[in-house]
Amino acid sequence: GAGVSQSPRYKVAKRGQDVALRCDPISGHVSLFWYQQALGQGPEFLTYFQNEAQLDKSGLPSDRFFAERPEGSVSTLKIQRTQQEDSAVYLCASSFGATYGYTFGSGTRLTVV
Amino acid sequence: DAKTTQPTSMDCAEGRAANLPCNHSTISGNEYVYWYRQIHSQGPQYIIHGLKNNETNEMASLIITEDRKSSTLILPHATLRDTAVYYCIVRFNAGNMLTFGGGTRLMVKP
Repeated sequence: GAGVSQSPRYKVAKRGQDVALRCDPISGHVSLFWYQQALGQGPEFLTYFQNEAQLDKSGLPSDRFFAERPEGSVSTLKIQRTQQEDSAVYLCASSFGATYGYTFGSGTRLTVV
Repeated sequence: DAKTTQPTSMDCAEGRAANLPCNHSTISGNEYVYWYRQIHSQGPQYIIHGLKNNETNEMASLIITEDRKSSTLILPHATLRDTAVYYCIVRFNAGNMLTFGGGTRLMVKP
């Protein structure tokens, strides 16, 4: 597609539930990033892939967060045993490489109740 | 990556130029200045970036001071659709992640 696609657009989860958020990057984009954006704040880095390799996961807030990109295209961010503090917009971005500008998706708004 | 300082909010009249300042006094010689904006309920959108020369594209102009310690993003004829949060970011061009600060909330008013 023409842009980065994220699904679902909105997700409501009960506390303790596991969730999976999907990102379809622009075709051919090697680099893929996940960001978390709390209400009223700027996006914060979570993790980075180059093709299928996860090169940086330093921003993942706890071991309940897990991301994968097994075939170097679609990526999934999984959050286990969701907590209220996980409520945020999760943004995915992709680029041709580290030296290029990013294209962001519209995000998934996760609300944990 | 160097930290940036931006005003929290600014207003601009529709049709006038919007000048958004950014201070990055600790920028190093090989760090670029990037600008992104985020319209409500959307992901951030790339606007422009530069190293030391002024840059212009179809969206905006970027003016970087000679000492590179500050820059200004110029939207020459602001429209209501330019209402957004504007983020100034400095990073090594070979670096991987963007580090967002709080940004400037620009309100374009009729």
